[in-house]
Amino acid sequence: GENVGLHLPTLSVQEGDNSIINCAYSNSASDYFIWYKQESGKGPQFIIDIRSNMDKRQGQRVTVLLNKTVKHLSLQIAATQPGDSAVYFCAENGGSSNTGKLIFGQGTTLQVKP
Amino acid sequence: DAGVIQSPRHEVTEMGQEVTLRCKPISGHNSLFWYRQTMMRGLELLIYFNNNVPIDDSGMPEDRFSAKMPNASFSTLKIQPSEPRDSAVYFCASSPGLSSGANVLTFGAGSRLTVL
Repeated sequence: GENVGLHLPTLSVQEGDNSIINCAYSNSASDYFIWYKQESGKGPQFIIDIRSNMDKRQGQRVTVLLNKTVKHLSLQIAATQPGDSAVYFCAENGGSSNTGKLIFGQGTTLQVKP
Repeated sequence: DAGVIQSPRHEVTEMGQEVTLRCKPISGHNSLFWYRQTMMRGLELLIYFNNNVPIDDSGMPEDRFSAKMPNASFSTLKIQPSEPRDSAVYFCASSPGLSSGANVLTFGAGSRLTVL
């Protein structure tokens, strides 16, 4: 069945270091992927997305990498800051192009140590 | 824009009572989604609407759950009767819609429901 999961439930990094959060997906029909950040008591907030015709996309301090061969997605955060502490979710569209439907992974908690 | 507005932010009720959660999507967004978040199951899609029409309600757990979208600026998720296992945070999200090709959902702050 469809499954979007994360390798590590908790990631602890030192302030200033780079963070890498990983995600595996199983639906090869997925052609759109997205990362969300969720802070305590708030709703998920969009970070960055990528379509399957790309393997890398960069934003401000964040980079998403997509490896379709092994069905793997990662989020890289450069110079991690205390404000980056949150739960990060990857999501895929399950091949449902343009429906807006997203299937979320379980999430990885990022802890930034000062 | 004030974003997606949900109410109430918190609700504590007793088993058997009716619960109504409300959502106001971002103006101009044509798609609306209801998600439920629990520690055990993560974020689950319950139902979504496009242009006020329910498109996929396969995630609705059972008949106790119902959702409506009477107009483009308002939606409700109702649980009747509520049960303790319904305790969760319920999120509403909206997006520009199918025709835009955009899948980016903007989430509200959520409604935390506790059923005793």
